[in-house]
Amino acid sequence: SQQGEEDPQALSIQEGENATMNCSYKTSINNLQWYRQNSGRGLVHLILIRSNEREKHSGRLRVTLDTSKKSSSLLITASRAADTASYFCATDNSGAQKLVFGQGTRLTINP
Amino acid sequence: SAVISQKPSRDICQRGTSLTIQCQVDSQVTMMFWYRQQPGQSLTLIATANQGSEATYESGFVIDKFPISRPNLTFSTLTVSNMSPEDSSIYLCSVDGTGREQYFGPGTRLTVT
Repeated sequence: SQQGEEDPQALSIQEGENATMNCSYKTSINNLQWYRQNSGRGLVHLILIRSNEREKHSGRLRVTLDTSKKSSSLLITASRAADTASYFCATDNSGAQKLVFGQGTRLTINP
Repeated sequence: SAVISQKPSRDICQRGTSLTIQCQVDSQVTMMFWYRQQPGQSLTLIATANQGSEATYESGFVIDKFPISRPNLTFSTLTVSNMSPEDSSIYLCSVDGTGREQYFGPGTRLTVT
């Protein structure tokens, strides 16, 4: 499968700082989604950005999408210890609603 | 959003045996998805299950190894057959939301010894 790449693979910051994660993909997309996974449990949907959108906000989350560069970024502002998790981008690039997940970024927020 | 439960939450199995994982949704959904997440890795789609039709498998996954049932719009099972240690993974089911997002179950952590 054409899995995307995420960087960094791991990120450790202090509580209160901002965290930025990047995602690159290979094919044209309908939309790109970000998910959070705590400690190997189920994934939680965070935000979806469509291919014709460039930026989207949800609370402390800001997502950008650059389809010309086939890349997206997720910014978490004013990080909290509870934000410690793995974050995955996923692309929806077909009519069958199949998601292709990136490799993920493991985020650690230090108190 | 949909609420999804999976059973069992974890299991330790002997090689050569089979395990059936159940996925229950609190509302009727059209599409259900089964993913595998190998240790320290990302998610890989195993198959898509629609009620009333055969599951559609992704490249590298076959029905004999991962048979799937979808008897109604709220329930599905995935069986991992003739298990080997390489099948040790987290298995997750998900359903489609109204806006093309997916909602995931809590996962089944499988260890094969």
